[in-house]
Formats: sequence, structure tokens, C-alpha cells
Amino acid sequence: SQTIHQWPATLVQPVGSPLSLECTVEGTSNPNLYWYRQAAGRGLQLLFYSVGIGQISSEVPQNLSASRPQDRQFILSSKKLLLSDSGFYLCAWDRGLAKNIQYFGAGTRLSVL
Amino acid sequence: QQQVKQSPQSLIVQKGGISIINCAYENTAFDYFPWYQQFPGKGPALLIAIRPDVSEKKEGRFTISFNKSAKQFSLHIMDSQPGDSATYFCAASGSGTYKYIFGTGTRLKVLA
Repeated sequence: SQTIHQWPATLVQPVGSPLSLECTVEGTSNPNLYWYRQAAGRGLQLLFYSVGIGQISSEVPQNLSASRPQDRQFILSSKKLLLSDSGFYLCAWDRGLAKNIQYFGAGTRLSVL
Repeated sequence: QQQVKQSPQSLIVQKGGISIINCAYENTAFDYFPWYQQFPGKGPALLIAIRPDVSEKKEGRFTISFNKSAKQFSLHIMDSQPGDSATYFCAASGSGTYKYIFGTGTRLKVLA
């Protein structure tokens, strides 16, 4: 069976510090991978998605970047965090086929102070 | 054209009542409409989904009604229970993209 791991679960970082959130998927190959941000009481904003190793598409201009160094690994990074980067970050994957289900990780709660 | 509008933003229902959440879309190329359920501090999980070739899909107490001509779809939760208290998101995909367009979410509270 397929599983998605996301860590850390919670993170408190000072403004200006770097960020690295990691997501890995097990039990499948060539997944599409996604990073979403969910601000408190708001919907899911797609930040990045990837259809293959090294292929990253950015949905919104921002202080964040994403990388996919391996087939089932997706990393969300920042060189200098802003207060506005606080939120709940979710990684998701799907099988890369049309009309397919996206499966979400448990999320990372990031607080930038 | 790429938006999915979801309402209401929040909903309070008595135990045993019917919860109804509505979504509307503009892009007629969308052809897959899932609903996700999210509990506090957790990631969303697929609840039920529908394709536009059917007008209704039922799974247990959860039903999606789909109106292709009106470009609307809704989630009905019958016999709502306190354990159904969560945030519900509708979404749409299609038009040659893998991406989902999510609604803004509905926070449901079912009173015991």
C-alpha cells in the first residue's frame, strides 16, 4: 500500500531563518507531487507541483521554493522566512493519471515568530 | 474561470439533521469533482467523488448531487453526527491538468 510521510509535524522558526520541509511517498513510482498551504480558516492554496524528478511548477510567486531530488521525495524550502509564511503546509501525491485521487500527508504546522 | 465557489463558510446542524454544502464552477472542461474531509490538525482525506456523467452518487450517509447544466454540485450528509464535525472542501479538476481547484472550505459543526 502507498503511504505519504511529511515532517516535521510542527515547527517554530524565527523570521529570517531558513526552512526545509520534507515529504516522501512510499509504495508507488512516478507520482505527481504537490505542496499546498492552508492559512488559518482558509482554503487550500497550491504552491508547487511536480510531475517528475527535477520538474517543478510554481503556482504563486512567493518566498518559497521546491525541489524534487528523487522520484518520491519533495522538499519545500525558504532561505529567509517571513511572518506571512506561517501556516499549515500539506504535501500530496497522485498517480499521475487523469481524474485521479490526491492523497494528503498529515501536514506541518509552521509558526514564524 | 478556474475558481470553485463554495458555500456556506460555516454550518451548524443538530444531530440527526441534514448538512448541505454547495459548490459552483465556471470551467466546463472540469470533469472530476471530489469532496475532501479534514479534521483539525490533519490532512484532508477523500470522502466521495463524482464524474459529470451521473447526477448523483451515494456512499452511506454521504451523497453528491451534480447539476451539469447549472455547473453546480453539492454534498449532502444525512443523519449528521457529531463525528462529522470537520472542514469540508469541494474540488474540481480536468481540462487537461492534474491539478485540483479547491473551494474555500466549509466548517461543519454537528451539535450533540
